This record gives sequence, structure tokens and C-alpha cells, in this order.
Amino acid sequence: SQKIEQNSEALNIQEGKTATLTCNYTNYSPAYLQWYRQDPGRGPVFLLLIRENEKEKRKERLKVTFDTTLKQSLFHITASQPADSATYLCAPNTGTASKLTFGTGTRLQVTL
Amino acid sequence: GAGVSQSPSNKVTEKGKDVELRCDPISGHTALYWYRQSLGQGLEFLIYFQGNSAPDKSGLPSDRFSAERTGGSVSTLTIQRTQQEDSAVYLCASSLALTGKGETQYFGPGTRLLVL
Repeated sequence: SQKIEQNSEALNIQEGKTATLTCNYTNYSPAYLQWYRQDPGRGPVFLLLIRENEKEKRKERLKVTFDTTLKQSLFHITASQPADSATYLCAPNTGTASKLTFGTGTRLQVTL
Repeated sequence: GAGVSQSPSNKVTEKGKDVELRCDPISGHTALYWYRQSLGQGLEFLIYFQGNSAPDKSGLPSDRFSAERTGGSVSTLTIQRTQQEDSAVYLCASSLALTGKGETQYFGPGTRLLVL
């Protein structure tokens, strides 16, 4: 069955450093992969989408890579700030249906 | 409003009671989705609606769960004879279209349901 793995342990980093979050998937071939941010008590908010024919996508301090051979996406936040503290969810999807399948998310904590 | 709204924001009910959760999508969005998020778990897809097409109910966990979307806009998720394991945050999302090409989903704040 399809499986999405994100590190369940919180990632603690110092302000100004680069945070790297990992999303691994097995048993399917997503046509695209989305990353969402979720703050406590709020719904997820879309950040970036990367397609299977794209290796890398950037938006301001965010960078996403997509390696279909490794079945992995990496999500980077450069020059991290305390305001970046949140849970980050990945959602790799095949494109044949638009219902999203989410990973359980990784909580990022950026400290001063 | 500018975003997806959901009501109530919190709901406490007794086991065996029925509950109705409401979602108002963004105006003009033809696709509407319901998800459930249990504590420490990922989002679990429940159901989606696209225009006048028959909804995809493949994620509904049991026949106690049902949803309607009236007039292509507001949606109601109904849980009958609630059980304690139904306690979770129920999230609604909407998107512009259903192309399967990665359209962005816009989520509401969720309804926190607690079944005692």
C-alpha cells in the first residue's frame, strides 16, 4: 500500500540556520508533490508544488527538491526564523485524483 | 469571506448523538474536500465534491458518516451515533477546479469534535 514517511521527531534548529525536512514515499509514483505548513489550531496552508519532471523549485527562502529515483523530497528553509516554527506536511500525489494524501508532518522549532 | 470557513469551531457531544459540521468554501471554488486529523496523525481524506458530479465517498470510515453539498456551495458533514473514536479535527478545503494536476487546496480552520 502507499506509504508516506516524514520524520515524526521535532526538528530543532537555531535561527539563521538552514532547516531540511524529508519526505519519503513508497509503492507509488506521484506526478507532483506539495508542501503545506500547519500552525497549531489552524488548517494547512499551501507553500510549494513540484512536478515529477522538476528537480528543484524555489520560492523566497524555501527550496524543494524531488528525486523520483530515491522516492524522496527535501524541503529547505534557509535563514530560518522563529516565525518558521510550525508543522510541515508533504503530499505526494499521482494526479489521477485530486484528493490529497498527506504525510504525518514534521514539527520544526526555530530558536533564537 | 475571503477564506474557507467552518462551524462550529468546537463541538462537544455525548456518545451516540448525531452531529453536523458545516463548511463554507471560497466563492467560485468548484471542488470541496473533507479531511479528518486525529491527534498526532496525518490528514485522512474523507470525501470530495466536484461541481454536479457524484461525490467521491471512498474515504468515509463507516456508514455513520455522510456529507452533502447544496447548490454547489455549502457542505455539511454529518456523523450519526457518534463514537469516541470519532473525536478529531475535521478540516474542509476547497479548490478552483479538479484537474488532478496539483491545484492548490485552501483549508478552513477546522472543527474540533470531542465525543464523551
